[in-house]
This record gives sequence, structure tokens and C-alpha cells, in this order.
Amino acid sequence: DVKVTQSSRYLVKRTGEKVFLECVQDMDHENMFWYRQDPGLGLRLIYFSYDVKMKEKGDIPEGYSVSREKKERFSLILESASTNQTSMYLCASSLGWTGGLYEQYFGPGTRLTVT
Amino acid sequence: GDSVTQMEGPVTLSEEAFLTINCTYTATGYPSLFWYVQYPGEGLQLLLKATKADDKGSNKGFEATYRKETTSFHLEKGSVQVSDSAVYFCALSDHRDDKIIFGKGTRLHILP
Repeated sequence: DVKVTQSSRYLVKRTGEKVFLECVQDMDHENMFWYRQDPGLGLRLIYFSYDVKMKEKGDIPEGYSVSREKKERFSLILESASTNQTSMYLCASSLGWTGGLYEQYFGPGTRLTVT
Repeated sequence: GDSVTQMEGPVTLSEEAFLTINCTYTATGYPSLFWYVQYPGEGLQLLLKATKADDKGSNKGFEATYRKETTSFHLEKGSVQVSDSAVYFCALSDHRDDKIIFGKGTRLHILP
């Protein structure tokens, strides 16, 4: 079974803190994704990586950065957390270079609260 | 650009009722279409998919048919169960890259 794990299920941080969200997949997938999920807005893509050290901005990259030093690990970084970044963050992975033909596998999500 | 529109929820039904969740899409070319489901406290998981016109995807009693003429991919189930309570996302891939475009999700509540 494909497994995508996220480092925390729940996280509470203070405004201005630097926040790291970690994601690990065990299926040797090329692609990894970070989304945020908010009521009424659905899933919005923050960043996408199609290979080690490669990244591409999604629809809402402002205030976020990412790191992919190893194929199995994709980190989302909030340089200076703000209250409007309170959200559910979902990581996903998929096989690369298929034109999206195959599914994305999701982790359980991290619910981040910034106070 | 490409997009997915699905009916707003929440949808509330009694157990054993017939379910339809509408989904329409806008895309150039011939996208692949997906339904994902998110159970409470979990991430999304693929429910079913269809890759070309007139294909029917099915899984766990759910079905959806890729209708190119109406640009639709409606999700149906003949008899829902309490355990089907979840959020359902319609999605498409336009094959230009490996990204998937998701609808906003429809929350389904099934009453016993």
C-alpha cells in the first residue's frame, strides 16, 4: 500500500514563527504536492515538485516555500506564520510523467492553527 | 482555464436513498475525470475514475459516466449507507502536466 505520512496531525504556532511541515512517501513517486484545504474553497495547490530539488509554484504560493532534498521527502515552510495561514494542509504524491493519468495519494493532513 | 464545478452541499439523505452529486467541467482536449472521497479526519482517496468519453468508473457501489456531450461526470449510488458520509471531490487532469484540478467538494450526510 502507498503510504504518505505527515509529521503532525495538529499543530499550534504563534504569529511570526517559522513553521515546517514534513511529508514522506514510500512509493518512489516522482511528484509531490502541497495543498491547503479551507471550507468553501476546496483544495488549493501551494507548490508542486516533480523531481528532487525541482519545484513549481501552484495557485497560492505567497507566504510559503518548499524544499525537496530527497525523493521521498517534501517540506512546506511558512517563513513567518500569520493567522490567515490557519488551515488544513494536505500532502500528496503521484507517479511522474504520466500527464496526470494516475491518482494522487494523500496524507492524513496537518491542521495548523496560528494564534 | 480548466475548471470543475460541483453542486454545493451539504447534501443530507436518509439511509438507502438514491444519491446524485452533480459535476461539470471545462477543459480543452480530452481530460481524465476523477471522484475522490475524504472521510472524517482523513486525507483524500481515489473513489473512481474515467479516462475517455463514455467510460464508466465504478467502485464501492458508486458510479460515474464520462459524458463529453454534456461535459459532466455525475456521481451516483443506488442505496447510500451511513458510512458513506464524507466529502466528495470531483477532479480532472488535462494531461498537460501531472497536476489535478479539484472541485470545491460536496459534503454528504447520511441519516440512519
